[in-house]
Amino acid sequence: AQSVAQPEDQVNVAEGNPLTVKCTYSVSGNPYLFWYVQYPNRGLQFLLKYITGDNLVKGSYGFEAEFNKSQTSFHLKKPSALVSDSALYFCAVRDRGRDDKIIFGKGTRLHILP
Amino acid sequence: EAGVAQSPRYKIIEKRQSVAFWCNPISGHATLYWYQQILGQGPKLLIQFQNNGVVDDSQLPKDRFSAERLKGVDSTLKIQPAKLEDSAVYLCASSLGNLAETDTQYFGPGTRLTVL
Repeated sequence: AQSVAQPEDQVNVAEGNPLTVKCTYSVSGNPYLFWYVQYPNRGLQFLLKYITGDNLVKGSYGFEAEFNKSQTSFHLKKPSALVSDSALYFCAVRDRGRDDKIIFGKGTRLHILP
Repeated sequence: EAGVAQSPRYKIIEKRQSVAFWCNPISGHATLYWYQQILGQGPKLLIQFQNNGVVDDSQLPKDRFSAERLKGVDSTLKIQPAKLEDSAVYLCASSLGNLAETDTQYFGPGTRLTVL
């Protein structure tokens, strides 16, 4: 069965510093991987996805994520954090080649400190 | 381009009452999803439609939850009767198709349900 883990409930980063939000996954085949962001009282917004090809994926708002097959990870990164990046971030995985549903992690709350 | 619309935004009901949520997906999107997001958790898929057919409803509590997507556009999700543990945000999402290349899901603002 597929699963996804976000080991940190909350991440605090000073504005201007680089940020990382961690995600690891488990699938029987090859994964499709996604990152979504949720702002207060709003639905989830798509940030980026890995389907195939280059392991470094660039997305919206300056975010990027690196697919690491050996470590089964897909960490979200940004070189310089903004206060406006403060939100709830969800990693999601789908097992390629199977008709499985997308599974979301429990979310990581990102606080960017001014 | 208009996004996914949901109504109502908030609903408070007593346990054992019934409630219905409505979703209008992005125009042209064949796939529609209903998720339940309990506080502190990630969204959990309840049901997935491809046009007006059900693709996956394995996590839908069918004794009390039902959903339909008539004409392959709008969808309604109903709970009858509601239980306290149904308190959650119900998210609707849509995507162009069911392939990963078009699998980016676009979410509505959600309906926050409180069952007292």
